[in-house]
Amino acid sequence: DAMVIQNPRYQVTQFGKPVTLSCSQTLNHNVMYWYQQKSSQAPKLLFHYYDKDFNNEADTPDNFQSRRPNTSFCFLDIRSPGLGDTAMYLCATSEGVNTEAFFGQGTRLTVV
Amino acid sequence: DQQVKQNSPSLSVQEGRISILNCDYTNSMFDYFLWYKKYPAEGPTFLISISSIKDKNEDGRFTVFLNKSAKHLSLHIVPSQPGDSAVYFCAASARSSNDYKLSFGAGTTVTVRA
Repeated sequence: DAMVIQNPRYQVTQFGKPVTLSCSQTLNHNVMYWYQQKSSQAPKLLFHYYDKDFNNEADTPDNFQSRRPNTSFCFLDIRSPGLGDTAMYLCATSEGVNTEAFFGQGTRLTVV
Repeated sequence: DQQVKQNSPSLSVQEGRISILNCDYTNSMFDYFLWYKKYPAEGPTFLISISSIKDKNEDGRFTVFLNKSAKHLSLHIVPSQPGDSAVYFCAASARSSNDYKLSFGAGTTVTVRA
């Protein structure tokens, strides 16, 4: 059974049109992460939540926002997607300092 | 600033032989290291990890070696099987600093030839 579920698997959006990606987990983990992975590059951490505490990476563009309404769900909002935001977006969870992170299948976002 | 580096983007190995994947890191605070495996159209899945208090950890066909002085780790897969064909990511975190965020390398694509 999938433990970290991302929806949708594939998303095409127009330049500048807001888009929301969702992630849900059944593991009851404290920490949820959003990573961006561009082709042939390392996954790059955008931000993470430890419970309700939001932690933004210093180089994450303001265009990227996140919401975590409860333990199970986390959303990635891209307010005005640019062509450079085309990437795979990976959601992951972990039990805090136990850093074995569990990943979802990812959402492949294409901005046209 | 890439703190975890996998300098070989690809590796081709014959079935039954050993696959050796390498990873270097620059942050001396890293004390916990992981390898993830990723098939196309799937998310990364955890494979094996090692704490900096060890220099070797073995799990079946997979062994990870850590050389702290060289800031280098490697993953050995023996014997390699066709199902091992995937992208392998090295990752690191600084657990003792309570920094549980993972820094990833860019990955190595392994192809196991029959």
